[in-house]
Amino acid sequence: DAKTTQPTSMDCAEGRAANLPCNHSTISGNEYVYWYRQIHSQGPQYIIHGLKNNETNEMASLIITEDRKSSTLILPHATLRDTAVYYCIAHNPNQAGTALIFGKGTTLSVSS
Amino acid sequence: DTEVTQTPKHLVMGMTNKKSLKCEQHMGHRAMYWYKQKAKKPPELMFVYSYEKLSINESVPSRFSPECPNSSLLNLHLHALQPEDSALYLCASSPFMRGGRKTQYFGPGTRLLVL
Repeated sequence: DAKTTQPTSMDCAEGRAANLPCNHSTISGNEYVYWYRQIHSQGPQYIIHGLKNNETNEMASLIITEDRKSSTLILPHATLRDTAVYYCIAHNPNQAGTALIFGKGTTLSVSS
Repeated sequence: DTEVTQTPKHLVMGMTNKKSLKCEQHMGHRAMYWYKQKAKKPPELMFVYSYEKLSINESVPSRFSPECPNSSLLNLHLHALQPEDSALYLCASSPFMRGGRKTQYFGPGTRLLVL
C-alpha cells in the first residue's frame, strides 16, 4: 500500500469545518483513499473512502485531487465528540483479506 | 449493522496465565483480523483469517495463538505473555468477495495488561 503523510495535529473550533489534509503521492491506480478515526481507547471507526470522485456521507466529505496525489477530509460542523486521531490510508480493497497500513495520523482537537 | 464485538473489554494477566480474547461479528464477513496497538502508536496487523483459514501471520510470537472456529468467531489464545505484550488488541472484519464494499470494521478492542 502507498504511504500517506498527514500533519501531526490540528485544532478546530466547535461548529467550524475541520479540513484534514493527506498526501499520498505514490498511490497506485487500484488503491482507494480510506479515512478512519480513533477516539481515545476505542477501536478505529470507518468514516469514508473514495477512488477518484469526491464522496459525501452522513459523517464527512472526501475531496480527492484530480491527480489523486492528495485528499482532504472535511467534517462540516465539528463538535467536541469529533476530537480523535484521524488516519488516512491508501488501500486496495480488491486484495481481500489484506491489512490496513496505519500511519501516525492527525490528532484533531476540537474546542469550544 | 456494522458491529464487531470483543470480550473482555479489559484483561489483567500474569506471565504464567493462559487466557483468550474473543471477537464476534454477524455481518457475514469472511475475512477477520487481529491488530495490536501499543500506547500512542497506530494499530499493527497480527493475523488475517480468510474463510476460516489463516492467510497472514505477521511473524507473531507463538505465545499468541489465533483460532477461527466458525465464520462469525475469532479467538486469540494467550500464553506465557510478557509485560511488553500489554496493548489494545483490536479485531476487525470485512467482506471477502468480488465487488461490493470491502471496508474493514473494527471492534472496541480488549485492553490487556500483563504483569
